[in-house]
Amino acid sequence: EVQLVETGGGLIQPGGSLRLSCAASGFAVSRKYMSWVRQAPGKALEWVSVFYSGGSTYYADSVKGRFNISRDNSKNMLYLQMNSLRPEDTAVYYCARGGVAVALPDYWGQGTLVTVSS
Amino acid sequence: EIVLTQSPATLSLSPGERVTLSCRASQSVSSYLAWFQQKPGQAPRVLIYDASNRATGIPARFSGSGSGTDFTLTISSLEPEDFAVYYCQQRSNWPPTFGQGTKLEIK
Repeated sequence: EVQLVETGGGLIQPGGSLRLSCAASGFAVSRKYMSWVRQAPGKALEWVSVFYSGGSTYYADSVKGRFNISRDNSKNMLYLQMNSLRPEDTAVYYCARGGVAVALPDYWGQGTLVTVSS
Repeated sequence: EIVLTQSPATLSLSPGERVTLSCRASQSVSSYLAWFQQKPGQAPRVLIYDASNRATGIPARFSGSGSGTDFTLTISSLEPEDFAVYYCQQRSNWPPTFGQGTKLEIK
């Protein structure tokens, strides 16, 4: 059974750092496109970052230079290192597995809430 | 960035009713338009992709149509579990973008 479980969210002050983790089971993260998608309160979903199966990455302009996506194939984990956090980064962050296309996930985690506030 | 506008923002309906939701793109997205459903406290899930293809396991009461800039999602007969928020999404241009959503609530 495919499962994605995110951890690492919490309350952090502006300028701080957090690392989100996504534990995958039932498939190999190395063989799938893996994304981080966020949903700020009352706002539309936003594609934050993608780790393509070939190893290339994508970042939204809003996080470029501050966030870094990585994966550990041996642990079957996906990560999102978030630095220089801003209040506008406050959101529920979902880990998602690409399905028919990278933008059409077939599995999602339950989400982890990141709150950036002083 | 392509902007998607959904209408209406909220709909109050009863189980058994037929409903059509609309999504308009700021420029053509060809047929690269998907519909997602999200229930409170849950992640979104894909219902329809490429305008009219039902995702695996999605009931036949859900159907999509349209191309270019105007799209619709139709639910032929609302079931109690269909009351949720529906988002359209384009993947014609990267990054994928979503509309602001239409909330279906029980009348």
